[in-house]
Amino acid sequence: GQQVMQIPQYQHVQEGEDFTTYCNSSTTLSNIQWYKQRPGGHPVFLIQLVKSGEVKKQKRLTFQFGEAKKNSSLHITATQTTDVGTYFCALISSGTYKYIFGTGTRLKVLA
Amino acid sequence: SAVISQKPSRDICQRGTSLTIQCQVDSQVTMMFWYRQQPGQSLTLIATANQGSEATYESGFVIDKFPISRPNLTFSTLTVSNMSPEDSSIYLCSVEDTAGRPVETQYFGPGTRLLVL
Repeated sequence: GQQVMQIPQYQHVQEGEDFTTYCNSSTTLSNIQWYKQRPGGHPVFLIQLVKSGEVKKQKRLTFQFGEAKKNSSLHITATQTTDVGTYFCALISSGTYKYIFGTGTRLKVLA
Repeated sequence: SAVISQKPSRDICQRGTSLTIQCQVDSQVTMMFWYRQQPGQSLTLIATANQGSEATYESGFVIDKFPISRPNLTFSTLTVSNMSPEDSSIYLCSVEDTAGRPVETQYFGPGTRLLVL
């Protein structure tokens, strides 16, 4: 079945540094979603990307969908302690309409 | 956005017993999902629960172990049966909300943290 890998698995950054997580699929995707899960919390939807090469921004967060629609990235500029958490990409499997979550990247921001 | 509550929020259970987790949504939704998230891991879909039909289970999950009810469009239960320590995990329900939006979005409940001794 479809698999979605994320790298890195963990990332520790100093507050103010940038952070990027990458999401890679073995198959071409129709869409990709990103979620954030704070420690002890539940996943919260951030954004969905649909078009090849699409770039969307939310304040300090920049989301990109690869040209071949097989990968995506989330970039955070000038991290803050509030950015701490695990970031998951997720795709909706075509045909079954089931959500498949990536392996996640756990971000720690050191003040 | 949908608001979801789960009961219990956490529990400690003895092996061999069963626990039923409740999921309540503040609006009517067609699709509800149950996930398991083991410590430090990603989310694994257990089953999809649609009102008026049998739940659809993912590979590795069976109805005898995880029976699901979906009596109406706002409520669902997941039972973890004959528990073992390997069932210790966070169980999350979620709903798909497409009302008035072009984007299918999942909203998650706060989760039930289960420890089996």
